[in-house]
Amino acid sequence: EAGVVQSPRYKIIEKKQPVAFWCNPISGHNTLYWYLQNLGQGPELLIRYENEEAVDDSQLPKDRFSAERLKGVDSTLKIQPAELGDSAVYLCASSEARGRADTQYFGPGTRLTVL
Amino acid sequence: GEDVEQSLFLSVREGDSSVINCTYTDSSSTYLYWYKQEPGAGLQLLTYIFSNMDMKQDQRLTVLLNKKDKHLSLRIADTQTGDSAIYFCAEWSGTYKYIFGTGTRLKVLA
Repeated sequence: EAGVVQSPRYKIIEKKQPVAFWCNPISGHNTLYWYLQNLGQGPELLIRYENEEAVDDSQLPKDRFSAERLKGVDSTLKIQPAELGDSAVYLCASSEARGRADTQYFGPGTRLTVL
Repeated sequence: GEDVEQSLFLSVREGDSSVINCTYTDSSSTYLYWYKQEPGAGLQLLTYIFSNMDMKQDQRLTVLLNKKDKHLSLRIADTQTGDSAIYFCAEWSGTYKYIFGTGTRLKVLA
């Protein structure tokens, strides 16, 4: 069974440019998460979807970040415009459960470098 | 507030046991997890423990939970060089989200 797929794996852009990350969760997983992981830190939740509904986006910087999960499967996270401080790894994870504790499966992440 | 703390580094010799510690603050946590992250990879679930348990063993891994002290530990028996990675403790908090620690970098010396 395929795991969580993310692309691209690496992205280098100049500041003020837009960037987008894509995630395909494990088949059948209703819940999808986007995390930000800074160097030397644990992941921090940006947004959680249950099917196509964003149920927790309280940590998403909405002035420049946006996300969507059309049809409740794949998801895209966008940054526009990117800033130097956005350099980090962006992790996507998925789980079966609806909002209760359940095992999350992580993708390999997209490493973003903003110059 | 919710917080999960871990020591930053641990170095052990191959064949020895490793013990990685974690403290958390949310007493309403129902599940606690250990994840492993190798360079350039995402997080891989190693094991988890429900809050009404105090120990769980899974092959070389032993998880101990002291709910009174909000202390969690992961013991890796017969540590191998392939165990070198960053280990994250995480709690499923009462606010329906995972809270991750900062990670402990385990280095296994041959």
